[in-house]
Amino acid sequence: ILNVEQSPQSLHVQEGDSTNFTCSFPSSNFYALHWYRWETAKSPEALFVMTLNGDEKKKGRISATLNTKEGYSYLYIKGSQPEDSATYLCASADYNTDKLIFGTGTRLQVFP
Amino acid sequence: EAQVTQNPRYLITVTGKKLTVTCSQNMNHEYMSWYRQDPGLGLRQIYYSMNVEVTDKGDVPEGYKVSRKEKRNFPLILESPSPNQTSLYFCASSRGQGAQINEQFFGPGTRLTVL
Repeated sequence: ILNVEQSPQSLHVQEGDSTNFTCSFPSSNFYALHWYRWETAKSPEALFVMTLNGDEKKKGRISATLNTKEGYSYLYIKGSQPEDSATYLCASADYNTDKLIFGTGTRLQVFP
Repeated sequence: EAQVTQNPRYLITVTGKKLTVTCSQNMNHEYMSWYRQDPGLGLRQIYYSMNVEVTDKGDVPEGYKVSRKEKRNFPLILESPSPNQTSLYFCASSRGQGAQINEQFFGPGTRLTVL
């Protein structure tokens, strides 16, 4: 079973701060890396799916990078807003299975 | 509207009383999956299905059953629920026959309590 780790577990920032968090995953047999945003009392929603080493994806103020050789991905939020408060999940897939392995998430709280 | 629906959203039951949580998607997705979410743990996969009549165990299948008789539906069955199955359950679906490169669409979740 893959081991996917996220850090930090939680983060508190002021509105307007930029922030980033990390997802670490086994680099052998890597296939894809997913990021999801999970707001309280809602269901997780996909942000990005990345497959190529060096991939960078952006959606508004949120962007992500991927390093498959060393097994990590960063998620960046520029100019955090209170509505960015959520848990951010990453999940990794390898060639040998048909499933995703999720990390435990980074819980972000943005204070006005 | 493209969506994954689950019912019920909340359920309190007693040990040993069989229950079914339904899941339905209207996006014609091949892949469907059940996860459970427990405090301090990531989403853990219970069962998945790559297409009609094709199901397979995930990481924590003990105590659960599933079926995939139609493409849109993927019910989760607890034949004899126990307190350690108290959890938040999510159904998810995606295009294709694998979860690896296709984004997962999640249902709203079912909060189950087994007394």
